[in-house]
Order: sequence, then structure tokens, then C-alpha cells
Amino acid sequence: NAGVTQTPKFRILKIGQSMTLQCTQDMNHNYMYWYRQDPGMGLKLIYYSVGAGITDKGEVPNGYNVSRSTTEDFPLRLELAAPSQTSVYFCASSPPLGTGELFFGEGSRLTVL
Amino acid sequence: DQQVKQNSPSLSVQEGRISILNCDYTNSMFDYFLWYKKYPAEGPTFLISISSIKDKNEDGRFTVFLNKSAKHLSLHIVPSQPGDSAVYFCAGHNAGNMLTFGGGTRLMVKP
Repeated sequence: NAGVTQTPKFRILKIGQSMTLQCTQDMNHNYMYWYRQDPGMGLKLIYYSVGAGITDKGEVPNGYNVSRSTTEDFPLRLELAAPSQTSVYFCASSPPLGTGELFFGEGSRLTVL
Repeated sequence: DQQVKQNSPSLSVQEGRISILNCDYTNSMFDYFLWYKKYPAEGPTFLISISSIKDKNEDGRFTVFLNKSAKHLSLHIVPSQPGDSAVYFCAGHNAGNMLTFGGGTRLMVKP
């Protein structure tokens, strides 16, 4: 029972580099989300998707891009990494018309130096 | 504009006693409120929720209370156990399956 799987778990980037955080889920959930967690700030929504081929911006989308070509995968791309993107990133999924129960991955800790 | 606020960044209680974690919100459109628990190096996991039309929901040692007039909810853990030590996030859910999270409260239960 894998649930939501994120890779990599840790990554150090130099300013200006790009990378993709991978997220895959095996629960056949329509909804998928990317959050970032900064200390004391809770989780902020970056992007979300309600199904394959459909994505939309969340609260803090600047500097990120997403795609959703399949139900299972929802990668998050960071272009031109900046120190402000140092954070812990969580991918999550949920069934449609739910009551808010999201299933989270274990997180990806990204440091931009 | 912080729609969901947890004003206590940390809370320390003795094992066996009650833990009360508080959360305030401003958005009247939330239809559910949820509590998530997070251990270090893990993702948040769902703990308990409450519909906006209820004022109490209980699940074992965990009870959530909702006071709509005060726009306040609280999570009670009785009795508290060392394994409950974690960061707790409250969140409001609105139509479209979106969650807005508070900043979290770190609970430490001392043996």
C-alpha cells in the first residue's frame, strides 16, 4: 500500500538551477495537490489538479510549474531556483467531493544555496 | 489574510492530562474543519474532522469542538500520551476540495 510517493526526499540546488519533484499516487484519486511548508507558516498551496489534463494555481504558484498527464502523476517543476524556495514540499491526493481528507506523501526537503 | 490561525506555536502537557489545541478562523464558507497530525520527517496524516453544522465530534481520545459564533474550534486529547507528541494543524475545507491550513501547534507530552 504505497499511497503517495515523492522523490527525491532531499535535494540541494544552486541558485538558478532547475529541478522536478516527482509525485505519484496509486489510489486512483482525481485530486492532487502540491503544498510547501515553511517554519511556523503551516502549509501553503502551490498548485492543484482536479484530474488528468487540468491544473490550477494555488496561493503561492510563482516560480513553479506543474503538469498532469496521467491520474497517477503530478510533478512539480522549479525553474530558476531561488533561496526563497528553500522549503519542505508535500504532495497530496484526495478523492473528488470529499470532506477534506488528504493523503500526503512524506515530503521533499529542498535547499537552495 | 490568514483565514485559519493557531495562536499557540507550542504546548507542553504531562502524560495522562488533557491537551487542548485551539484554532480560530475567519472564513464563514468553510463546510468542514479538520485536524492533521505531523511527526518529524513524515507527511501530515488526517486525525479528525467536524462538519460546520455540528458542534462536537468524538473519536476515541480525540474530540473536536466547534463554536461557530466565535469562529473557534478546539481539539481535546484525553488522556494525553507521549506518542501524541507531534505538530497539529487545523484546516478549513471549502467547496472545490481546498484546504486552508493554520500554522500548526507543536504538542509535547512529557512522561
